[in-house]
Amino acid sequence: NAGVTQTPKFRVLKTGQSMTLLCAQDMNHEYMYWYRQDPGMGLRLIHYSVGEGTTAKGEVPDGYNVSRLKKQNFLLGLESAAPSQTSVYFCASSYSIGLAGEYNEQFFGPGTRLTVL
Amino acid sequence: SQQGEEDPQALSIQEGENATMNCSYKTSINNLQWYRQNSGRGLVHLILIRSNEREKHSGRLRVTLDTSKKSSSLLITASRAADTASYFCATSRFNYGQNFVFGPGTRLSVLP
Repeated sequence: NAGVTQTPKFRVLKTGQSMTLLCAQDMNHEYMYWYRQDPGMGLRLIHYSVGEGTTAKGEVPDGYNVSRLKKQNFLLGLESAAPSQTSVYFCASSYSIGLAGEYNEQFFGPGTRLTVL
Repeated sequence: SQQGEEDPQALSIQEGENATMNCSYKTSINNLQWYRQNSGRGLVHLILIRSNEREKHSGRLRVTLDTSKKSSSLLITASRAADTASYFCATSRFNYGQNFVFGPGTRLSVLP
């Protein structure tokens, strides 16, 4: 199994350009997540999805859009990139939450390093 | 403000020594998880401890949870150079819209 894969691995954009990051998982997980990681900030949740066709906002959703048309894929879009979106982006997936609302182990992709000039 | 805060921010030890890092959080949780991140890589899950558990072991890892103090510790025994990485705690909270939150991490350096 490949686990969680992300494409591309690196990307450089100019301010105002758009792009889509693709995340794919082959573990049949219900939940998928997009995080960004900035120095000294840990990971911050951008958007997440609890199943095919559903998405929800996380802590820092502004400037991003997502789609989950297929269970195994979760796309993150930047419509008009800004230098503040320079970051490393991680996708993760997990089984659905437990009966008490507890989150299960998350499986992470290798990350996409994005630079916006 | 962040739910989880690791302490120290950075830790440097010699190979063979034990490494202890701590995580404090602010609100009630249903579980707490520790992850490792090697430089330039994604995070890898290490261990999950539930709110009704006080201690858990996995190989050279020992995790404790004190819900009264809202804190957890991760102990790595007999450290190896390969343990050099950043370690993050993440808390799963009850009834919050965004209820899985990572701390900023502890950077561990194990010197040969």
